[in-house]
Amino acid sequence: GAGVSQSPSNKVTEKGKDVELRCDPISGHTALYWYRQSLGQGLEFLIYFQGNSAPDKSGLPSDRFSAERTGGSVSTLTIQRTQQEDSAVYLCASSLVYGALNTEAFFGQGTRLTVV
Amino acid sequence: GENVEQHPSTLSVQEGDSAVIKCTYSDSASNYFPWYKQELGKRPQLIIDIRSNVGEKKDQRIAVTLNKTAKHFSLHITETQPEDSAVYFCAASIRSNTGKLIFGQGTTLQVKP
Repeated sequence: GAGVSQSPSNKVTEKGKDVELRCDPISGHTALYWYRQSLGQGLEFLIYFQGNSAPDKSGLPSDRFSAERTGGSVSTLTIQRTQQEDSAVYLCASSLVYGALNTEAFFGQGTRLTVV
Repeated sequence: GENVEQHPSTLSVQEGDSAVIKCTYSDSASNYFPWYKQELGKRPQLIIDIRSNVGEKKDQRIAVTLNKTAKHFSLHITETQPEDSAVYFCAASIRSNTGKLIFGQGTTLQVKP
């Protein structure tokens, strides 16, 4: 595809269940970002990948959150034992980062997670 | 710490007036400053960006200025139109973390016809 793709678009889950959110970045993009956006709020940084490695995991809210990226492409954000406060839109973005140079980050359409 | 502060949180202007949104950043090594527009229910999209070797950049009715000494940058929208109504986010790259992008809290701009 031409853009960043996220799946599922919507996810309703019961409190205590685990969920997996998927992000397919633009082909060739080395950098991949996960952000969380609660209703009417800003873009909260969660984690950033450069290739398959995550130089910065400082934004993950708790140890229930984890993420991985394989083959320098697809990334999965996993939330274990979901809580109601995890309800939000999870946005993924990808970009090319050439050494010290960032370029435009393209966002996916997001996954709206609702924990009931 | 790594931080981007954005003001104001809401801004209401009359159609045709100018709008200015300001951001400050903490990492003096930041070298990339994009601005994103997010319409209701849609994904954020880049509207303009600036690098640290440039003081100002314009694209039609939109301009961004950067003051590296003061570590702040601003978005200027002239001749505002109702379709400019949206949430605007500034961001800064965090060089100490090889390209991490941190966003401000967002500004909700309302342009009244």
